Amino acid sequence: AQKITQTQPGMFVQEKEAVTLDCTYDTSDPSYGLFWYKQPSSGEMIFLIYQGSYDQQNATEGRYSLNFQKARKSANLVISASQLGDSAMYFCAMRDVTNFGNEKLTFGTGTRLTIIP
Amino acid sequence: DAGITQSPRHKVTETGTPVTLRCHQTENHRYMYWYRQDPGHGLRLIHYSYGVKDTDKGEVSDGYSVSRSKTEDFLLTLESATSSQTSVYFCASQVGGGDTQYFGPGTRLTVL
Repeated sequence: AQKITQTQPGMFVQEKEAVTLDCTYDTSDPSYGLFWYKQPSSGEMIFLIYQGSYDQQNATEGRYSLNFQKARKSANLVISASQLGDSAMYFCAMRDVTNFGNEKLTFGTGTRLTIIP
Repeated sequence: DAGITQSPRHKVTETGTPVTLRCHQTENHRYMYWYRQDPGHGLRLIHYSYGVKDTDKGEVSDGYSVSRSKTEDFLLTLESATSSQTSVYFCASQVGGGDTQYFGPGTRLTVL
Protein backbone atom coordinates (compact mmCIF):
# COMPACT_ATOMS: atom_id res chain seq x y z
CA ALA A 1 0.00 0.00 0.00
CA GLN A 2 1.07 3.54 -0.68
CA LYS A 3 2.38 5.56 2.23
CA ILE A 4 3.34 9.20 2.66
CA THR A 5 5.53 10.39 5.53
CA GLN A 6 5.99 13.95 6.70
CA THR A 7 8.40 13.91 9.61
CA GLN A 8 8.23 17.59 10.58
CA PRO A 9 5.08 18.28 12.61
CA GLY A 10 6.01 21.95 12.94
CA MET A 11 8.56 24.43 11.64
CA PHE A 12 9.41 28.03 12.48
CA VAL A 13 11.19 30.06 9.81
CA GLN A 14 12.27 33.68 9.62
CA GLU A 15 10.52 35.78 7.01
CA LYS A 16 12.34 35.98 3.64
CA GLU A 17 14.29 32.80 4.28
CA ALA A 18 13.84 29.71 2.10
CA VAL A 19 11.94 26.75 3.56
CA THR A 20 12.14 23.05 2.79
CA LEU A 21 9.27 20.81 3.86
CA ASP A 22 10.09 17.11 3.81
CA CYS A 23 8.02 14.37 2.24
CA THR A 24 8.96 10.76 1.63
CA TYR A 25 6.79 8.17 -0.01
CA ASP A 26 6.58 4.46 -0.53
CA THR A 27 5.08 2.78 -3.55
CA SER A 28 5.77 -0.17 -5.79
CA ASP A 29 4.00 1.38 -8.78
CA PRO A 30 6.26 2.78 -11.51
CA SER A 31 3.70 5.46 -12.38
CA TYR A 32 2.55 7.85 -9.67
CA GLY A 33 2.02 11.51 -8.95
CA LEU A 34 2.93 13.68 -6.01
CA PHE A 35 1.05 16.75 -4.84
CA TRP A 36 1.44 19.49 -2.27
CA TYR A 37 -1.51 21.30 -0.75
CA LYS A 38 -1.61 24.30 1.58
CA GLN A 39 -4.20 24.71 4.31
CA PRO A 40 -4.23 28.19 5.87
CA SER A 41 -5.94 28.87 9.17
CA SER A 42 -9.17 29.61 7.29
CA GLY A 43 -9.35 25.88 6.54
CA GLU A 44 -9.53 25.55 2.77
CA MET A 45 -7.24 23.16 0.89
CA ILE A 46 -5.24 24.92 -1.82
CA PHE A 47 -3.37 23.01 -4.53
CA LEU A 48 0.23 24.19 -4.89
CA ILE A 49 2.27 21.94 -7.13
CA TYR A 50 2.39 18.56 -8.87
CA GLN A 51 5.18 16.20 -9.91
CA GLY A 52 4.71 13.15 -12.08
CA SER A 53 6.97 10.14 -11.59
CA TYR A 54 8.18 10.29 -15.17
CA ASP A 55 8.77 14.03 -15.25
CA GLN A 56 12.41 14.71 -16.03
CA GLN A 57 12.55 18.10 -14.37
CA ASN A 58 11.52 19.29 -10.95
CA ALA A 59 8.19 21.07 -10.94
CA THR A 60 8.08 24.79 -10.21
CA GLU A 61 5.19 27.18 -9.62
CA GLY A 62 6.24 30.70 -8.75
CA ARG A 63 7.96 30.61 -5.35
CA TYR A 64 7.21 26.91 -4.96
CA SER A 65 9.42 24.16 -6.30
CA LEU A 66 9.41 20.44 -5.73
CA ASN A 67 12.75 18.77 -5.08
CA PHE A 68 12.02 15.33 -6.54
CA GLN A 69 14.59 12.64 -5.77
CA LYS A 70 13.16 9.45 -7.20
CA ALA A 71 15.85 7.07 -5.96
CA ARG A 72 15.39 8.36 -2.41
CA LYS A 73 11.60 8.43 -2.79
CA SER A 74 11.43 11.99 -1.59
CA ALA A 75 9.40 14.95 -2.84
CA ASN A 76 10.31 17.93 -0.72
CA LEU A 77 8.55 21.27 -1.15
CA VAL A 78 10.80 24.30 -1.31
CA ILE A 79 9.37 27.76 -0.72
CA SER A 80 11.72 30.56 -1.68
CA ALA A 81 11.71 33.96 0.07
CA SER A 82 9.06 33.03 2.62
CA GLN A 83 6.28 35.48 3.46
CA LEU A 84 3.99 35.84 6.45
CA GLY A 85 1.13 34.54 4.30
CA ASP A 86 2.97 31.24 3.91
CA SER A 87 2.11 30.36 7.51
CA ALA A 88 -0.17 27.36 7.13
CA MET A 89 -0.43 23.58 7.28
CA TYR A 90 1.18 21.83 4.30
CA PHE A 91 0.20 18.38 3.09
CA CYS A 92 2.05 16.07 0.76
CA ALA A 93 -0.08 13.56 -1.14
CA MET A 94 0.46 10.74 -3.62
CA ARG A 95 -1.85 9.56 -6.35
CA ASP A 96 -2.78 5.92 -6.12
CA VAL A 97 -4.38 4.00 -8.98
CA THR A 98 -6.64 1.12 -7.96
CA ASN A 99 -6.80 -2.26 -9.67
CA PHE A 100 -9.75 -0.95 -11.68
CA GLY A 101 -7.89 2.13 -12.89
CA ASN A 102 -9.56 4.60 -10.55
CA GLU A 103 -7.59 7.28 -8.80
CA LYS A 104 -7.37 8.44 -5.22
CA LEU A 105 -4.93 10.36 -3.05
CA THR A 106 -3.08 9.27 0.07
CA PHE A 107 -2.08 12.15 2.34
CA GLY A 108 0.69 12.66 4.84
CA THR A 109 -0.04 13.99 8.31
CA GLY A 110 1.11 17.49 7.44
CA THR A 111 3.66 20.08 8.56
CA ARG A 112 2.59 23.28 10.27
CA LEU A 113 4.77 26.12 9.02
CA THR A 114 4.99 29.37 10.95
CA ILE A 115 6.77 32.35 9.43
CA ILE A 116 8.30 34.71 11.99
CA PRO A 117 8.49 38.43 11.12
CA ASP B 1 -11.00 25.45 -9.05
CA ALA B 2 -14.07 23.29 -9.68
CA GLY B 3 -16.68 25.51 -8.07
CA ILE B 4 -17.18 23.01 -5.29
CA THR B 5 -19.65 23.80 -2.56
CA GLN B 6 -20.48 21.86 0.56
CA SER B 7 -23.57 22.06 2.70
CA PRO B 8 -24.04 22.53 5.52
CA ARG B 9 -20.78 24.23 6.47
CA HIS B 10 -21.33 23.59 10.16
CA LYS B 11 -23.53 21.08 11.91
CA VAL B 12 -24.05 19.97 15.49
CA THR B 13 -26.02 16.80 16.01
CA GLU B 14 -26.64 14.16 18.64
CA THR B 15 -25.39 10.61 18.82
CA GLY B 16 -27.63 8.19 16.96
CA THR B 17 -29.15 10.66 14.53
CA PRO B 18 -28.70 10.35 10.75
CA VAL B 19 -26.72 13.07 9.00
CA THR B 20 -26.29 13.82 5.31
CA LEU B 21 -23.61 16.09 3.92
CA ARG B 22 -23.87 17.37 0.37
CA CYS B 23 -21.13 18.15 -2.12
CA HIS B 24 -21.93 19.98 -5.34
CA GLN B 25 -19.59 20.73 -8.24
CA THR B 26 -20.31 22.70 -11.37
CA GLU B 27 -17.53 21.56 -13.71
CA ASN B 28 -18.79 18.15 -14.79
CA HIS B 29 -15.89 16.42 -13.05
CA ARG B 30 -15.93 12.64 -13.28
CA TYR B 31 -14.34 11.82 -9.92
CA MET B 32 -15.61 12.96 -6.52
CA TYR B 33 -14.26 12.18 -3.06
CA TRP B 34 -15.12 12.48 0.62
CA TYR B 35 -12.34 12.86 3.19
CA ARG B 36 -12.27 13.46 6.89
CA GLN B 37 -9.58 15.50 8.60
CA ASP B 38 -8.56 14.84 12.18
CA PRO B 39 -5.55 16.14 14.12
CA GLY B 40 -2.51 13.93 13.64
CA HIS B 41 -4.07 12.01 10.73
CA GLY B 42 -4.05 14.38 7.81
CA LEU B 43 -6.87 13.69 5.37
CA ARG B 44 -8.25 10.19 5.13
CA LEU B 45 -10.43 8.95 2.31
CA ILE B 46 -13.93 7.81 3.27
CA HIS B 47 -15.54 7.00 -0.10
CA TYR B 48 -15.11 8.08 -3.66
CA SER B 49 -17.05 8.01 -6.90
CA TYR B 50 -15.76 7.50 -10.42
CA GLY B 51 -19.06 8.16 -12.14
CA VAL B 52 -22.80 8.37 -11.60
CA LYS B 53 -23.87 5.46 -9.40
CA ASP B 54 -20.25 4.20 -9.30
CA THR B 55 -18.69 4.40 -5.86
CA ASP B 56 -16.04 2.62 -3.83
CA LYS B 57 -14.77 2.54 -0.27
CA GLY B 58 -11.77 4.38 1.08
CA GLU B 59 -9.67 3.57 4.12
CA VAL B 60 -12.17 4.79 6.76
CA SER B 61 -15.56 3.87 5.28
CA ASP B 62 -17.15 2.12 8.28
CA GLY B 63 -20.26 3.98 9.44
CA TYR B 64 -20.57 5.99 6.21
CA SER B 65 -22.46 5.54 2.98
CA VAL B 66 -22.51 7.61 -0.20
CA SER B 67 -24.67 8.16 -3.22
CA ARG B 68 -24.17 9.84 -6.55
CA SER B 69 -27.31 10.04 -8.67
CA LYS B 70 -26.12 13.04 -10.71
CA THR B 71 -22.66 14.02 -11.93
CA GLU B 72 -22.67 17.22 -9.91
CA ASP B 73 -23.80 15.87 -6.51
CA PHE B 74 -22.11 13.49 -4.10
CA LEU B 75 -23.84 12.80 -0.80
CA LEU B 76 -22.22 11.44 2.35
CA THR B 77 -24.53 9.87 4.94
CA LEU B 78 -23.82 8.92 8.51
CA GLU B 79 -26.60 6.45 9.21
CA SER B 80 -26.31 6.78 12.98
CA ALA B 81 -23.79 9.41 14.02
CA THR B 82 -21.27 8.65 16.77
CA SER B 83 -18.93 10.96 18.67
CA SER B 84 -15.97 9.42 16.83
CA GLN B 85 -17.37 10.93 13.62
CA THR B 86 -16.84 14.45 14.94
CA SER B 87 -14.49 15.83 12.32
CA VAL B 88 -14.02 18.21 9.44
CA TYR B 89 -15.28 16.69 6.20
CA PHE B 90 -13.88 17.71 2.84
CA CYS B 91 -15.26 16.97 -0.56
CA ALA B 92 -13.01 17.02 -3.60
CA SER B 93 -13.44 16.52 -7.32
CA GLN B 94 -11.22 15.76 -10.29
CA VAL B 95 -11.87 16.12 -14.00
CA GLY B 96 -10.59 12.72 -14.95
CA GLY B 97 -7.58 10.46 -14.82
CA GLY B 98 -4.27 12.18 -14.25
CA ASP B 99 -5.76 15.48 -13.15
CA THR B 100 -5.54 17.49 -9.96
CA GLN B 101 -8.07 17.15 -7.15
CA TYR B 102 -9.70 20.37 -6.02
CA PHE B 103 -11.35 20.72 -2.67
CA GLY B 104 -14.52 22.21 -1.28
CA PRO B 105 -14.47 24.51 1.76
CA GLY B 106 -15.17 21.75 4.29
CA THR B 107 -17.96 20.93 6.74
CA ARG B 108 -17.34 20.94 10.47
CA LEU B 109 -19.48 18.24 12.08
CA THR B 110 -19.85 17.88 15.83
CA VAL B 111 -21.60 14.84 17.26
CA LEU B 112 -22.58 15.27 20.91
